[in-house]
Amino acid sequence: GNSVTQMEGPVTLSEEAFLTINCTYTATGYPSLFWYVQYPGEGLQLLLKATKADDKGSNKGFEATYRKETTSFHLEKGSVQVSDSAVYFCALSLQGAQKLVFGQGTRLTINP
Amino acid sequence: KAGVTQTPRYLIKTRGQQVTLSCSPISGHRSVSWYQQTPGQGLQFLFEYFSETQRNKGNFPGRFSGRQFSNSRSEMNVSTLELGDSALYLCASSSGSLDGYTFGSGTRLTVV
Repeated sequence: GNSVTQMEGPVTLSEEAFLTINCTYTATGYPSLFWYVQYPGEGLQLLLKATKADDKGSNKGFEATYRKETTSFHLEKGSVQVSDSAVYFCALSLQGAQKLVFGQGTRLTINP
Repeated sequence: KAGVTQTPRYLIKTRGQQVTLSCSPISGHRSVSWYQQTPGQGLQFLFEYFSETQRNKGNFPGRFSGRQFSNSRSEMNVSTLELGDSALYLCASSSGSLDGYTFGSGTRLTVV
């Protein structure tokens, strides 16, 4: 089946630290990959996406590269801020499936 | 442009009752999908509608149902509520499954 596995949280970092949240997937076809972020009390916001191998998605200083050979889509940011504290979800979507398959989420806390 | 609007934001219901949640998608988006978010199970897909037709359904009991109207607005209904139905219900709209989904802020349902 199709699934997404994220590194377990919670993750706690100091401001300006380097962030990596690992994400690997299993899919029967060639998925599109997404990172969503959820702030307290809110829904999910699309952070970035990649639709084919070697694509790099980027937004707000966050980046992730679609690696087909390692079936990975790790999220990185060079210097995190307190405002980046949230829960991050990796997800995949297959053409024709009309749905997202989510990882379990990683809670990130940034301390000043 | 306006985002995805879900109403109500909060609901408290008693076991055995039924509930209807509403979702208005982004203008022009014809696909609407629903997800249940709980601490234990994470984000789980409920169903997806496109042009008033259900195209995909998740692994939920028949107590969970939905529909979509000609203006793309969607409702989901849960009958005979159980305590375990307490969750954040998220609606998402899309112009295409590989383009990403835009989520609403969710409806927080508490069953007592």
